[in-house]
Amino acid sequence: DGGITQSPKYLFRKEGQNVTLSCEQNLNHDAMYWYRQDPGQGLRLIYYSQIVNDFQKGDIAEGYSVSREKKESFPLTVTSAQKNPTAFYLCASSYRGFPQHFGDGTRLSIL
Amino acid sequence: QQQVKQSPQSLIVQKGGISIINCAYENTAFDYFPWYQQFPGKGPALLIAIRPDVSEKKEGRFTISFNKSAKQFSLHIMDSQPGDSATYFCAASNEAGTALIFGKGTTLSVSS
Repeated sequence: DGGITQSPKYLFRKEGQNVTLSCEQNLNHDAMYWYRQDPGQGLRLIYYSQIVNDFQKGDIAEGYSVSREKKESFPLTVTSAQKNPTAFYLCASSYRGFPQHFGDGTRLSIL
Repeated sequence: QQQVKQSPQSLIVQKGGISIINCAYENTAFDYFPWYQQFPGKGPALLIAIRPDVSEKKEGRFTISFNKSAKQFSLHIMDSQPGDSATYFCAASNEAGTALIFGKGTTLSVSS
């Protein structure tokens, strides 16, 4: 069954620590995206990648980094530079832009 | 500035009633307008989408109405059911698909 798998479902970060969120898709989609969701704020684009080994910053990229070494995978690292990392992180993928399909998210909290 | 403004923030509808959620956008270059439905703890799921060359699109109980001149579009949920209780997001994107800009969401509660 095709889909987008995000792991872990819940993640806790200590002060000064980098954490990596996993996103894997088996839909054979070219493009992948990372969004951040805060209560009452909708979804905001962090990074996106339209092709392997290439990615672009979205609206709120500061404090985050990504890699796209394989078509199926687009991990997001939340670095210690991100001072307010508590949020629900959503990964999405698409074939030639639309529609975008979402995973079930990772909820990141600060210890 | 590129924005999508969504209203209302929350909505309570009786079972069998019509739920209406509105969105307005600013950038006339936007050309794809999806609506997503999200349940707690889950990712958004695409509900229905429209392009600006049509004024209305219907899929089952869900209808998008699109007014290009007013730069507004709305979601109508007919015969609303308790299972429709969720958060709904409108969005807009450019033709390249490199940016999907979301509204802030509407929390719908359908009372039985």
